Amino acid sequence: GAVVSQHPSRVICKSGTSVKIECRSLDFQATTMFWYRQFPKQSLMLMATSNEGSKATYEQGVEKDKFLINHASLTLSTLTVTSAHPEDSSFYICSARAQGQKGTDTQYFGPGTRLTVL
Amino acid sequence: GEDVEQSLFLSVREGDSSVINCTYTDSSSTYLYWYKQEPGAGLQLLTYIFSNMDMKQDQRLTVLLNKKDKHLSLRIADTQTGDSAIYFCAVILSGTYKYIFGTGTRLKVLA
Repeated sequence: GAVVSQHPSRVICKSGTSVKIECRSLDFQATTMFWYRQFPKQSLMLMATSNEGSKATYEQGVEKDKFLINHASLTLSTLTVTSAHPEDSSFYICSARAQGQKGTDTQYFGPGTRLTVL
Repeated sequence: GEDVEQSLFLSVREGDSSVINCTYTDSSSTYLYWYKQEPGAGLQLLTYIFSNMDMKQDQRLTVLLNKKDKHLSLRIADTQTGDSAIYFCAVILSGTYKYIFGTGTRLKVLA
């Protein structure tokens, strides 16, 4: 149980285009999902908290107009990188907060999406 | 703010035990977690410990928690080459659901 998927796993796009990444909790409902960014050989940096049915909460320094987050259902959150530039190239990982599972407040992570902007 | 530190590298021989350490500054986290990340992949939950426990054992994994010293450790018995990965500890930021991750420890297992 507690499986989280991400799609796509890898995407290459041209500078100036927008890219949408989906995060799904497959076997549980998640009112809260998180989006992280990870640079090579570094830890995870929390970008934003995605709340079902309400606006996302962004961490300091993360541009909300650049990284659009939508949490339309209890099993799906999307991150759209708008007008992507090479400096947005990174590994993006989502997680879903499991409630009522063994180990309350446990986050289960997706496999990540490697974004490369040319 | 919360600060979570780990040593960056650990190298062990196959069959030996590995001990990965983590120190943190905020002791209010109800649960403390260990995650494993293999190259190019997401994070896999390995184990967690409730804050009122000192020790938790789960097959080859043993978690020790010293709340007084704010020190968490993960011991992997009989380390295998498949255990080579980056290991992250995580605590919950006080008053939120957010995780604060350690810097990650890269474990290399030598055959």
